[in-house]
Amino acid sequence: QKEVEQNSGPLSVPEGAIASLNCTYSDRGSQSFFWYRQYSGKSPELIMFIYSNGDKEDGRFTAQLNKASQYVSLLIRDSQPSDSATYLCAVNDGRGSQGNLIFGKGTKLSVKP
Amino acid sequence: DGGITQSPKYLFRKEGQNVTLSCEQNLNHDAMYWYRQDPGQGLRLIYYSQIVNDFQKGDIAEGYSVSREKKESFPLTVTSAQKNPTAFYLCASSVVTGREQFFGPGTRLTVL
Repeated sequence: QKEVEQNSGPLSVPEGAIASLNCTYSDRGSQSFFWYRQYSGKSPELIMFIYSNGDKEDGRFTAQLNKASQYVSLLIRDSQPSDSATYLCAVNDGRGSQGNLIFGKGTKLSVKP
Repeated sequence: DGGITQSPKYLFRKEGQNVTLSCEQNLNHDAMYWYRQDPGQGLRLIYYSQIVNDFQKGDIAEGYSVSREKKESFPLTVTSAQKNPTAFYLCASSVVTGREQFFGPGTRLTVL
């Protein structure tokens, strides 16, 4: 069974700090990786996606991918209380354009003022 | 505005009833999906469709049915065979399968 694992949290960080969210996946054939933010009672919103090893930056968000370790992370710099949400990691199931996304259960982030 | 709409936002069902959840997208995406989310759980795939007039079962298809007669629409029917249907239902779409998915606002179904 292909799996995506996330620490459920809650992860608590003070305002202005860096929040680091981690995700591991089981399928070595996975080629694309996604981070979603989900506020309580709302639907998931795509934050970032990354296809190749290394870092991808978008504003305060940085996605990091290490395929050898089957590990993807999301860094949030200068965390704000409005970043408090559950963050879902999703991974392509390795079948390319025929595949679907496998979602982790999410990490709950709490940013304290 | 491009996006995905779902209706209704809240739905109440009596036991033994079938109900249909609506999902419409104007993003010109080929692929559409239905997920179920329970408290503290991840997203579980119910059905997906790669193209009009075609759809495949996901991980938890029992008790559900879908149709894809138009590119823009992918309705989900929750049948009386689904024993525990109370959940948050999410519709999503992507350009093709395997790519980033965009979600609608969701329908919260409660069985009375």
